[in-house]
Amino acid sequence: GEDVEQSLFLSVREGDSSVINCTYTDSSSTYLYWYKQEPGAGLQLLTYIFSNMDMKQDQRLTVLLNKKDKHLSLRIADTQTGDSAIYFCAGQSGGSYIPTFGRGTSLIVHP
Amino acid sequence: EAQVTQNPRYLITVTGKKLTVTCSQNMNHEYMSWYRQDPGLGLRQIYYSMNVEVTDKGDVPEGYKVSRKEKRNFPLILESPSPNQTSLYFCASSYTGLNNEAFFGQGTRLTVV
Repeated sequence: GEDVEQSLFLSVREGDSSVINCTYTDSSSTYLYWYKQEPGAGLQLLTYIFSNMDMKQDQRLTVLLNKKDKHLSLRIADTQTGDSAIYFCAGQSGGSYIPTFGRGTSLIVHP
Repeated sequence: EAQVTQNPRYLITVTGKKLTVTCSQNMNHEYMSWYRQDPGLGLRQIYYSMNVEVTDKGDVPEGYKVSRKEKRNFPLILESPSPNQTSLYFCASSYTGLNNEAFFGQGTRLTVV
């Protein structure tokens, strides 16, 4: 099955760009997701990318997919204190209806 | 409003006292799942259900039970809670198939003393 790895913590200064990285194991993963968990809340879908895409941009968010290295990243431009949250990478392979979540990366934004 | 509702949000209980955490969704989703979230361990799946009367073990099912008698409800049962089940629990639901957004409840923080 799918295995998804991501680092646990990232600290950035307000206004800088944040890059959260994720690696996955299943080369047949068709959809890759980023979920955001704000303090005291459940996870919410932030964005996703289909495996036939290399990049997806949505306002301050840029998702990059390197299929060869099975590497996914989420870049947040002009990071704000409101972006402080846990970000989960998730992969869904073609043969499964169930996404596999990584452990989550805690993004800490300081002034 | 589309939502997944868990109850209770907070619960403190004693070792061995049976408890149930309820989960209900109003989106007619086939798939429902329970996770626990612990510091440094991220989300770990406890049980999931692909449809009514169909349930399967996730990665950490020991000490838990579930049932899926109706499509909208998926309760998590701890028959004899122990302190190592102190955690933050999330219920999630989605349609089955590709590219389906998972909707999460607000979480239940359980403390077993």
